[in-house]
Amino acid sequence: AQSVTQPDIHITVSEGASLELRCNYSYGATPYLFWYVQSPGQGLQLLLKYFSGDTLVQGIKGFEAEFKRSQSSFNLRKPSVHWSDAAEYFCAVAGNNNDMRFGAGTRLTVKP
Amino acid sequence: NAGVMQNPRHLVRRRGQEARLRCSPMKGHSHVYWYRQLPEEGLKFMVYLQKENIIDESGMPKERFSAEFPKEGPSILRIQQVVRGDSAAYFCASSPEWDGEQYFGPGTRLTVT
Repeated sequence: AQSVTQPDIHITVSEGASLELRCNYSYGATPYLFWYVQSPGQGLQLLLKYFSGDTLVQGIKGFEAEFKRSQSSFNLRKPSVHWSDAAEYFCAVAGNNNDMRFGAGTRLTVKP
Repeated sequence: NAGVMQNPRHLVRRRGQEARLRCSPMKGHSHVYWYRQLPEEGLKFMVYLQKENIIDESGMPKERFSAEFPKEGPSILRIQQVVRGDSAAYFCASSPEWDGEQYFGPGTRLTVT
């Protein structure tokens, strides 16, 4: 079965600084990969997804992620963080039967 | 097109009572998934259903928990004889015939007192 590891529990960056959130997955075949964002007390919003094709995926709110098969990674990046980006970020992987597995999440704090 | 709807948004139950959580998928979606999120943790898969069928319940506790997705009406996650450890946020997601993306509802926050 697939699994996801998000090594960083909590990250703090200054507003305007660049951001990279790490995600490593384990799956025997080509996975479907996702990044979701969750604000406190809210549900999950999809930022971006990778199914196939171009390994650099563009998402909403200026986010992008790069699928690197050799490293089993799907790191999320943003060149300039805004205070409104403070939230919990979840990486997820799904297999052919659509069963999705989530990482434990990375909490992002943005300093003014 | 309304999104995934869950109700109630907040539910308080005393130990030993039953909790019923409802999920109405997006229009046209026939696949429903339930997840549980404990405080300070990520989402844990519980069960995957299609209309009238349980496809994968590998994440469901063996006792007290059950789920259904009838031909008509919402999907129901039922927790019998709730205990304090059941306190969590329960999220439902839906998808159309397989395209890999699940759309999440706002969640039901269950508190067991």
